[in-house]
Amino acid sequence: GQSLEQPSEVTAVEGAIVQINCTYQTSGFYGLSWYQQHDGGAPTFLSYNGLDGLEETGRFSSFLSRSDSYGYLLLQELQMKDSASYFCAVRDLLNAGNNRKLIWGLGTSLAVNP
Amino acid sequence: KAGVTQTPRYLIKTRGQQVTLSCSPISGHRSVSWYQQTPGQGLQFLFEYFSETQRNKGNFPGRFSGRQFSNSRSEMNVSTLELGDSALYLCASSSLTGSGNTIYFGEGSWLTVV
Repeated sequence: GQSLEQPSEVTAVEGAIVQINCTYQTSGFYGLSWYQQHDGGAPTFLSYNGLDGLEETGRFSSFLSRSDSYGYLLLQELQMKDSASYFCAVRDLLNAGNNRKLIWGLGTSLAVNP
Repeated sequence: KAGVTQTPRYLIKTRGQQVTLSCSPISGHRSVSWYQQTPGQGLQFLFEYFSETQRNKGNFPGRFSGRQFSNSRSEMNVSTLELGDSALYLCASSSLTGSGNTIYFGEGSWLTVV
């Protein structure tokens, strides 16, 4: 079956570094994405990894290891506004017709404390 | 450039009724997907439309249906509402179907079934 696993909750303090892991089991793989969602808001795109390695975007970085079916989102210099839910999503091959579908993790709720 | 627009933002329905939600994608985007989000369940994929054709479908009963118009606007309909249909319904658009790795969400429609 298809599944993505990520921790349900993470707590950290301002200024700290936090890593949110995502392991996936899918029949195909066409990239790992990360989205952020604040309470009551819409998910917004953060980062994408199509190939192995690290992608850096300001305070946020994302890493992918396709051989380990594993990725993570790294948040540095945490700020209170980073308190939100973070979702990983994998683009998987849906069927022989080459349709691809995003498979989502259940999300990690990050609480940043002063 | 305007984002993804969903209407209505909030609505309350009674069991057995039906509801129609509307989504206007980002201009130029031809792919529209719908998700249901409930606490603890993450993002559940409903269906995806591209150029007025349903390309992918999630594991939801036939009470959930959708369509896309020639201008890429999309609607989803839920008939014979049940209490368990209470959720945030999110629409997302992207420029490519399947292979597109960044999708843009609307603010969602909060549906409460009483």
